[in-house]
Amino acid sequence: TQLLEQSPQFLSIQEGENLTVYCNSSSVFSSLQWYRQEPGEGPVLLVTVVTGGEVKKLKRLTFQFGDARKDSSLHITAAQTGDTGLYLCAGYGSGGSNYKLTFGKGTLLTVNP
Amino acid sequence: NAGVTQTPKFQVLKTGQSMTLQCAQDMNHEYMSWYRQDPGMGLRLIHYSVGAGITDQGEVPNGYNVSRSTTEDFPLRLLSAAPSQTSVYFCASSYSGRGDSPLHFGNGTRLTVT
Repeated sequence: TQLLEQSPQFLSIQEGENLTVYCNSSSVFSSLQWYRQEPGEGPVLLVTVVTGGEVKKLKRLTFQFGDARKDSSLHITAAQTGDTGLYLCAGYGSGGSNYKLTFGKGTLLTVNP
Repeated sequence: NAGVTQTPKFQVLKTGQSMTLQCAQDMNHEYMSWYRQDPGMGLRLIHYSVGAGITDQGEVPNGYNVSRSTTEDFPLRLLSAAPSQTSVYFCASSYSGRGDSPLHFGNGTRLTVT
């Protein structure tokens, strides 16, 4: 089983602050996805990263895939209360793990006004 | 466009009872899957299907059965419910089941087994 470790598990910040969430593994992933989940709803995809070293930006969110494709980070600039939610990273393994998307345990972000 | 629809939204069972969680998608996706989400454990894959008539086990398949008779539907059956199956269950679908297509999730079924 390929494991994804997310840190921190909980994060509470004030509106306007910056933050970074990390997703690490000892295994190589062919691709990695980030989802956001709000209470009472299913996760919704934010981004997919495929190439080692890849950086993708989605408005105030910046996603990076590590060169070795074992880790990823999510950076939020000037957080807003609407960013509050559970952030999940998930990866498809390389060779033999297709169709099985492995999730990290998530980072619960609270942005206070 | 309804996406992925799960029913029921809430269910309470007694130990030993059986039930079926329903999942339907209207996006013509070949891949469908079931996850359970528990506090501190994240989302764990129960079963998945890459097309009608094809199913396979995920990380935590024990106590659950699935079948895929149509592209649209992927029901999850609990034959004899146990308190350890208290959880929130999510059904998800995607075009290919690979990294090139995102998973679309339903809004979950919250199951309590007493």
